[in-house]
This record gives sequence, C-alpha cells and structure tokens, in this order.
Amino acid sequence: AQSVTQLDSQVPVFEEAPVELRCNYSSSVSVYLFWYVQYPNQGLQLLLKYLSGSTLVKGINGFEAEFNKSQTSFHLRKPSVHISDTAEYFCAVMNTGFQKLVFGTGTRLLVSP
Amino acid sequence: GAGVSQSPSNKVTEKGKDVELRCDPISGHTALYWYRQSLGQGLEFLIYFQGNSAPDKSGLPSDRFSAERTGGSVSTLTIQRTQQEDSAVYLCASSSRQSGANVLTFGAGSRLTVL
Repeated sequence: AQSVTQLDSQVPVFEEAPVELRCNYSSSVSVYLFWYVQYPNQGLQLLLKYLSGSTLVKGINGFEAEFNKSQTSFHLRKPSVHISDTAEYFCAVMNTGFQKLVFGTGTRLLVSP
Repeated sequence: GAGVSQSPSNKVTEKGKDVELRCDPISGHTALYWYRQSLGQGLEFLIYFQGNSAPDKSGLPSDRFSAERTGGSVSTLTIQRTQQEDSAVYLCASSSRQSGANVLTFGAGSRLTVL
C-alpha cells in the first residue's frame, strides 16, 4: 500500500521569501503525485499534478514541484510567497494500477508581512 | 453540474441518530470518492466508486458506515447510530480520467456535528 509523509506540520515564512514544502512517498509500484491546497474555510483545490513526462511540473499561483523517483519525493516550491498563499497544503499519491488517492497529513503554510 | 455538490453543508445531530450525506458529482465523471477530514487528522479515505460498484471500501471505519451510488451518479453516505467521534467534515470528490489517472475534484464538504 502507498503512503505519504509530510514532515513539516507548519512552515512559517515571511512574504516574498522562497518556500519549500516537503513530501515523501512510499509505494512498491509506479505512482501519480498531486498537491492540493485548502485555503481557510474553503474546499480542496488541485494545485498541480505529476502523471507522466517531465519531472518538473508547474501549477497554479506560481507553484511548482519536482518528482524525484530515486528519492521518492515530490517537494513543492515557490520562489516568492504572498500573504494570500497562507493555507494548508496536502501531498497525495495514487498507484498507477489502482485508483485510490492517499493523502499526507498536510503542511500549514503561514505567510507573514 | 459545474462542480461537485454536497448536501447538507452543515448537519447537527444527536448521538444515536442516523444521518445521510449526499454527493452529486460532476456530470460525466465515472469515479466518486468519499473522505473524512477531522481536526488534526488530515484526510482519511473512506470509499471509492467506479460506476456503481465500490472496488475499495477499506476505509469505512465501522459497520455503522455505508455508502451507495445509483445510476452512476449521486452517492449517499449513511452513518447509523452516530457517535461523537463521527464529528468531522465529510468530503466527496469525483474524477475525470487524465493520462490514465483519476484526477479528483472535491466538493465543499458536509460538516457533521454529533452532540
């Protein structure tokens, strides 16, 4: 069975600073990888996804992530964050052979002025 | 519809009562998922439908929980004899197929409070 680890439960950062949210997964087969974002009092929104092809994927709001198969990681990055990026970010993994999406426990990004 | 619709958005019930939560997926989406989001617990997978059948119901916490889907569209999650630990936000998602993967679109959720 697949699993996802998000080591950081909370990441505080100042506005305009770069940020990296870490995600590691475990699976015995090939995977698809996702990042979802949940803004305060809102639903989950797809930020970006890796399905195949280029290992560097770009998403909405200037975020990007890189799939690293050897390190089983899919870290999320943004070069310059805004106050409006304050939200909970969830990494998720799906086995290519079975369509169950498993989420990590989430990382709360807190952007301050 | 344009998005995944869930009802009710909020439900307060007394311990021991049964509740039904409804999910109306995006038209044409064949797969449908239920998750539970509890405070501090992240997103817990409950069940997944492909059409009307459920290939994976391994996440249902107990036999008090059941779900069905009819006509390949609307799904209902039923919780019988609710307990306080059932209090959570129940999220439904439907998915489109992209490059072999189910890509999920979530509804706004149904917040259940068991007193």
